Amino acid sequence: SAVISQKPSRDICQRGTSLTIQCQVDSQVTMMFWYRQQPGQSLTLIATANQGSEATYESGFVIDKFPISRPNLTFSTLTVSNMSPEDSSIYLCSVRDLRGEKLFFGSGTQLSVL
Amino acid sequence: DQQVKQNSPSLSVQEGRISILNCDYTNSMFDYFLWYKKYPAEGPTFLISISSIKDKNEDGRFTVFLNKSAKHLSLHIVPSQPGDSAVYFCAASAGGGADGLTFGKGTHLIIQP
Repeated sequence: SAVISQKPSRDICQRGTSLTIQCQVDSQVTMMFWYRQQPGQSLTLIATANQGSEATYESGFVIDKFPISRPNLTFSTLTVSNMSPEDSSIYLCSVRDLRGEKLFFGSGTQLSVL
Repeated sequence: DQQVKQNSPSLSVQEGRISILNCDYTNSMFDYFLWYKKYPAEGPTFLISISSIKDKNEDGRFTVFLNKSAKHLSLHIVPSQPGDSAVYFCAASAGGGADGLTFGKGTHLIIQP
């Protein structure tokens, strides 16, 4: 299994500001995934971060709002830009296992936007 | 449009009894299903999975049943223990792996002493 360290674990931010979430994995992985869980909702994939190329965003998510960096095979960041209260969610980083049969998740970042 | 539905937001079960969590899906292309457990302030952890070529998969106290004709799966926990109190997510994918997982909204399982 993979050990995923995610920080910050929680933050309270003001409207209009930006927050960068960091994700560190204990092994090299090709793809890292960023999910969001809004209150009472399911986990929704925001984007897939590939090392050495642009992230691939799912429908409804755009790079200007959620820029992603992937500088190496063990690290990624997700920035939530120009935040509004609707961005209040849990943000989760995840990676696949070697056989691609399951996802491992970080502990998540609980974001509250005032 | 929710493709994976968990219609019970919460479920209360007495310790030692069986917990049955249900999940329905609408996309007939889904062929791989997973259950995750999530404690507060932690990320989801993988519990058990099942491929559409099977109708049952068992791992210790956890058994997942798949009814393809009804597009329904269920997770059975026997016997239920206090540490099982958590939110359980059903997830599905088309293509037999963890790519493009679609999650349900989760069911909060509460085990009563």
